[in-house]
Amino acid sequence: AQRVTQPEKLLSVFKGAPVELKCNYSYSGSPELFWYVQYSRQRLQLLLRHISRESIKGFTADLNKGETSFHLKKPFAQEEDSAMYYCAPPDQTGANNLFFGTGTRLTVIP
Amino acid sequence: NAGVTQTPKFRVLKTGQSMTLLCAQDMNHEYMYWYRQDPGMGLRLIHYSVGEGTTAKGEVPDGYNVSRLKKQNFLLGLESAAPSQTSVYFCASSYSVGALGETQYFGPGTRLLVL
Repeated sequence: AQRVTQPEKLLSVFKGAPVELKCNYSYSGSPELFWYVQYSRQRLQLLLRHISRESIKGFTADLNKGETSFHLKKPFAQEEDSAMYYCAPPDQTGANNLFFGTGTRLTVIP
Repeated sequence: NAGVTQTPKFRVLKTGQSMTLLCAQDMNHEYMYWYRQDPGMGLRLIHYSVGEGTTAKGEVPDGYNVSRLKKQNFLLGLESAAPSQTSVYFCASSYSVGALGETQYFGPGTRLLVL
């Protein structure tokens, strides 16, 4: 059974500091991993996906197969980055289902 | 283009009461999903549907039923509500699966309190 672990429930950083939200997965095969974000009073939305290799709002995520990690990083945190972040690998047992981690609440301190 | 909408936004039920949550999408998506979000638990999949007339169980299906009579609608039913079903419920939809997975589009959520 695959699982995803987000070890930090809460993470606080100062504005301008680097931020890293950790995600570790146990997965067989080549994973397509996603990061979803939920800003205050907004709906959950896709932040980025591994396959696209994009940088969205300054965030990047590198898949490290050796460490089975897909950490989300940003070099300089902004106040508007405060949100709930979910790492989500596909659930291999269902069509297009995602298996969400427990989430990390990021607070950027002004 | 409203995307994914959910009705109602908030509801209070007494134990044993029944209710139906409605999810609608106008993006012609094949796949639809119901999740519940609880503190410290993340999002957990309740049921999903890969097309009109089809439904399947997710991770936490007990106590819920679903129906997908129309492609654009996905209904979540609670036949006899229990306090453990107090949660925030999210609906999502996506295109049919690509080789590497498709983005899911979420509704705004329904906050349910069962007393």
